Amino acid sequence: KNEVEQSPQNLTAQEGEFITINCSYSVGISALHWLQQHPGGGIVSLFMLSSGKKKHGRLIATINIQEKHSSLHITASHPRDSAVYICAVRSAGGGADGLTFGKGTHLIIQP
Amino acid sequence: EAGVAQSPRYKIIEKRQSVAFWCNPISGHATLYWYQQILGQGPKLLIQFQNNGVVDDSQLPKDRFSAERLKGVDSTLKIQPAKLEDSAVYLCASSYSDQETQYFGPGTRLLVL
Repeated sequence: KNEVEQSPQNLTAQEGEFITINCSYSVGISALHWLQQHPGGGIVSLFMLSSGKKKHGRLIATINIQEKHSSLHITASHPRDSAVYICAVRSAGGGADGLTFGKGTHLIIQP
Repeated sequence: EAGVAQSPRYKIIEKRQSVAFWCNPISGHATLYWYQQILGQGPKLLIQFQNNGVVDDSQLPKDRFSAERLKGVDSTLKIQPAKLEDSAVYLCASSYSDQETQYFGPGTRLLVL
């Protein structure tokens, strides 16, 4: 069973700061997702990665398969980025394809 | 493109009552997932469907939870009888295939008193 750890659990920063959220997992994966969850429960998929790096606007996601580690970066952070960011992995090796989720990082960007 | 629809958005029941949640996935998505998210935790997979067949229900408490997707489109998740610890957000997600990005519905927030 894959264990997914995120850090930090909580992060408060000032508007404009560069934000990094980390995710590590214990077993080889076929894909890693970064999700954003706003108050009220809605979840949005930000990235799906299997290698390398992806960029969308001010968001950048990287993954190091050898080190079993991924990072989500937010440049020029804004209060509207305040949300819970969740890392989820799909384990490699076939079988059922449900995701294993981290507990999330609660991000607050203060103006 | 319409997203994943869920209803109701909120439900409050007393313990030992029954409750049912409904999910309408994105049109054409063969894979459908139900997740339970307890406050402060990440979502936990309850059941995964591929069309109308169950792929994984290993974490579904089968003594009280049931789910079906009879025609391979809409799905219902039922809890009977509910316990206090079932209070959570129940999320439905769908994807075109089991290798594609999952799209989440808004969730149903259940409170069991």
